[in-house]
Amino acid sequence: DTAVSQTPKYLVTQMGNDKSIKCEQNLGHDTMYWYKQDSKKFLKIMFSYNNKELIINETVPNRFSPKSPDKAHLNLHINSLELGDSAVYFCASSLSDRGRDYGYTFGSGTRLTVV
Amino acid sequence: KQEVTQIPAALSVPEGENLVLNCSFTDSAIYNLQWFRQDPGKGLTSLLLIQSSQREQTSGRLNASLDKSSGRSTLYIAASQPGDSATYLCAVSPMEYGNKLVFGAGTILRVKS
Repeated sequence: DTAVSQTPKYLVTQMGNDKSIKCEQNLGHDTMYWYKQDSKKFLKIMFSYNNKELIINETVPNRFSPKSPDKAHLNLHINSLELGDSAVYFCASSLSDRGRDYGYTFGSGTRLTVV
Repeated sequence: KQEVTQIPAALSVPEGENLVLNCSFTDSAIYNLQWFRQDPGKGLTSLLLIQSSQREQTSGRLNASLDKSSGRSTLYIAASQPGDSATYLCAVSPMEYGNKLVFGAGTILRVKS
């Protein structure tokens, strides 16, 4: 199946822990993203990477560090987790040309709960 | 700063009705506009993508229009079915930033059988 897949689907962890979410796409897209959906269901971009290079870092705390080992993967590592980090995190990908994208495909999301 | 507004916030209709969801955006300088569907606890499914040079796109019972100059898009759903119940999200790709989507808050649709 061609898709954007992210793991794990659910993540429950204690405050102060460090955790990672993995994302992979096999669509041949060159740009990948992390979006956060808060408790009010509002979706907002966190990061975007184009060909492994960071393009957008949208006022996200330094505790969040994305890593893109290649064009098909974009992982999100979160240090010192806080209660406010609880949300659903979506990975997405698109084909783009100098900033212009040609439609997004989203993963199914990772529901992070910090207790 | 680009902002996207969706009206109504929630909509409940009987099965079989035709309905229109509205989306407005403050900056007309966009590459494209995309409509998504999100089912409870699930990811986003892309429904329709309209490039800035296009006026509308159709897929089955769905038709989306784009009026870039006035900053508006509508999603028309014909002959609604209970399976259409979901949250519908509108998102634009701003030229100013590139490589990101700005989302509206969504319209929660419930189609009653």
